[in-house]
Amino acid sequence: QQPVQSPQAVILREGEDAVINCSSSKALYSVHWYRQKHGEAPVFLMILLKGGEQKGHEKISASFNEKKQQSSLYLTASQLSYSGTYFCGTEAGNQFYFGTGTSLTVIP
Amino acid sequence: NAGVTQTPKFQVLKTGQSMTLQCAQDMNHNSMYWYRQDPGMGLRLIYYSASEGTTDKGEVPNGYNVSRLNKREFSLRLESAAPSQTSVYFCASSKGQLETTEAFFGQGTRLTVV
Repeated sequence: QQPVQSPQAVILREGEDAVINCSSSKALYSVHWYRQKHGEAPVFLMILLKGGEQKGHEKISASFNEKKQQSSLYLTASQLSYSGTYFCGTEAGNQFYFGTGTSLTVIP
Repeated sequence: NAGVTQTPKFQVLKTGQSMTLQCAQDMNHNSMYWYRQDPGMGLRLIYYSASEGTTDKGEVPNGYNVSRLNKREFSLRLESAAPSQTSVYFCASSKGQLETTEAFFGQGTRLTVV
């Protein structure tokens, strides 16, 4: 039930781009993305809804392929503040499951 | 705005002891959740409450009980703590079902069972 994320970890230099993927074995109505900094609570970034509606962040974008049951998070021109662990979340059977996370580190 | 408030922030228990983790939200949200976070395993749902007066089991409910005391408060109880329950616990709330609305998380409770 838990969505699978890839990669598990990535290191970027400031200004570089990154893509984080999330896939599910279940049909999806929506996908959430959250970011968690070390020692802090996860913070909502965006929701992608079936049908294409997207709600969330200004500088981070994402795609949602309903047929493939996949979502990708795109971080462009990364900043030091982007460092953290990124989680996708999906709903299945009235429960909500988070992926295992992708650790992203941006270095100067 | 306080958002979601959890207490305590840190706790050390001995095996077999009991304790209650408290969670309160001031956003008038209907749904509340308890997750645990362990290294490499992401966030796993323990229990959730879709609305006041209802609670349901999540992925990993064994060893835990919950109470939705009112619309604001959702507590998690460990009746007889075990070392396997050492984890960081997060409470979250959402306006409606997480299918369409975002979750807001508390700051977490770091629990160690020795």
